[in-house]
Amino acid sequence: DTGVSQNPRHKITKRGQNVTFRCDPISEHNRLYWYRQTLGQGPEFLTYFQNEAQLEKSRLLSDRFSAERPKGSFSTLEIQRTEQGDSAMYLCASSLRGTRSQETQYFGPGTRLLVL
Amino acid sequence: SQKIEQNSEALNIQEGKTATLTCNYTNYSPAYLQWYRQDPGRGPVFLLLIRENEKEKRKERLKVTFDTTLKQSLFHITASQPADSATYLCARGGQSNMLTFGGGTRLMVKP
Repeated sequence: DTGVSQNPRHKITKRGQNVTFRCDPISEHNRLYWYRQTLGQGPEFLTYFQNEAQLEKSRLLSDRFSAERPKGSFSTLEIQRTEQGDSAMYLCASSLRGTRSQETQYFGPGTRLLVL
Repeated sequence: SQKIEQNSEALNIQEGKTATLTCNYTNYSPAYLQWYRQDPGRGPVFLLLIRENEKEKRKERLKVTFDTTLKQSLFHITASQPADSATYLCARGGQSNMLTFGGGTRLMVKP
C-alpha cells in the first residue's frame, strides 16, 4: 500500500499520560499535515511541515502538543499530560508541493485516541 | 476568520435520484474548494477540487459548482447508489494549502 499510513490506529490512555503517534506520508510528498477531528465535526488543522521544517501551527496546538518530522519523511505527534478533551481522531495528510495538483491532500486512516 | 458551513442534518434520498449538498463560505472567496468523502472510522478521501475561476467541474457521476456571488458551492451526485452513503466534507484552501473544513453532511441513499 503506497498511501498514507498512521500508527497506532487506536490508543487508549489514562489522563496525564503521554502518547505519541506516527505518520508515514506518501513517499515523494514533501508536505505533511496534522488535523484533529471530533465526532460530528470536520477535521481541524493543527500543523504542517514542508520537508523537515514546521512552517505553521494552529492556536489549537497547545504547549502540550509537539510535532516533528526529523528527516523530512515520517512525522510524529506527541501529546504530553493528556486530558480527556484530547480524545479525538488524529489525521495525517500529505501533498506534493510544486505540482499542478499540489492542493490535493491525501489522508491516512487516522489514530483514534481515547483518554480515560 | 474563514468559515465553511454545511448542512448538519442528514440528507436522505432514494436510489437513482440526484443528491445535492451545499457548502457556504464566509468572507473572501477561497482560491479553491475541495470536496472529500469520509466513511465512518476512516480518513477523508479526495473527490474534486474547483478553483475560484471555474464555474463547474465534473467527474463521472459527480459535479461541483462554485458561485462567488452566492459564496456557495454545490456538490451533486447523479444516479445515486446506496454505496454513495457517507459523510461529504467541503473544505476551502488557504495559505500554505491549509484546509478549513465544514462539519460535513451525511448522505443516506436508500435502495
